[in-house]
Amino acid sequence: EAGVAQSPRYKIIEKRQSVAFWCNPISGHATLYWYQQILGQGPKLLIQFQNNGVVDDSQLPKDRFSAERLKGVDSTLKIQPAKLEDSAVYLCASSLGGRGADTQYFGPGTRLTVL
Amino acid sequence: GDSVTQMEGPVTLSEEAFLTINCTYTATGYPSLFWYVQYPGEGLQLLLKATKADDKGSNKGFEATYRKETTSFHLEKGSVQVSDSAVYFCAPLGQGGKLIFGQGTELSVKP
Repeated sequence: EAGVAQSPRYKIIEKRQSVAFWCNPISGHATLYWYQQILGQGPKLLIQFQNNGVVDDSQLPKDRFSAERLKGVDSTLKIQPAKLEDSAVYLCASSLGGRGADTQYFGPGTRLTVL
Repeated sequence: GDSVTQMEGPVTLSEEAFLTINCTYTATGYPSLFWYVQYPGEGLQLLLKATKADDKGSNKGFEATYRKETTSFHLEKGSVQVSDSAVYFCAPLGQGGKLIFGQGTELSVKP
């Protein structure tokens, strides 16, 4: 079974530029998550989708970050404009139903460096 | 709000030594509890989980017991190997299915 796919794996941009990350979850998984992992810290949830609806985006900086999950499958996370403090690894995860003890499966992440 | 505190790293052990990584949490109710592992250059992988009080999760020689009284979920392994070198994250499942990650504990095992 294929895992969670993410691209690109690495991205270097200058501050104030825009960037987009793509995620393809495990087939059949209804719930998709985007986490931000700053170096030396644990991942922090940015946004959670159930199918193509947003369940939780309380920690998403909405003035610069946006995310969508069209057709309830793939998802895109965008940052516009980027700041230095956005340098981090962006992790996508998916789970079957998003309730109870459903295991979240993580992709390899996209490492973003903002100069 | 929900939070988790992990033992600070890095932890350096010799091969075959006993490992304990402490984890305590603050959460509403009795959440499911998870340990994830991140090997160098790889993504997060589920190591083990426990869904109710007194449950013991186990995998690859690692164990952790859900202790409701002390709100803890300490990770243990009787004999570590060099291949266990990684960063370990404790994570209770918060409200709405959100994992609350600790800061991670880096483990380095020397031959």
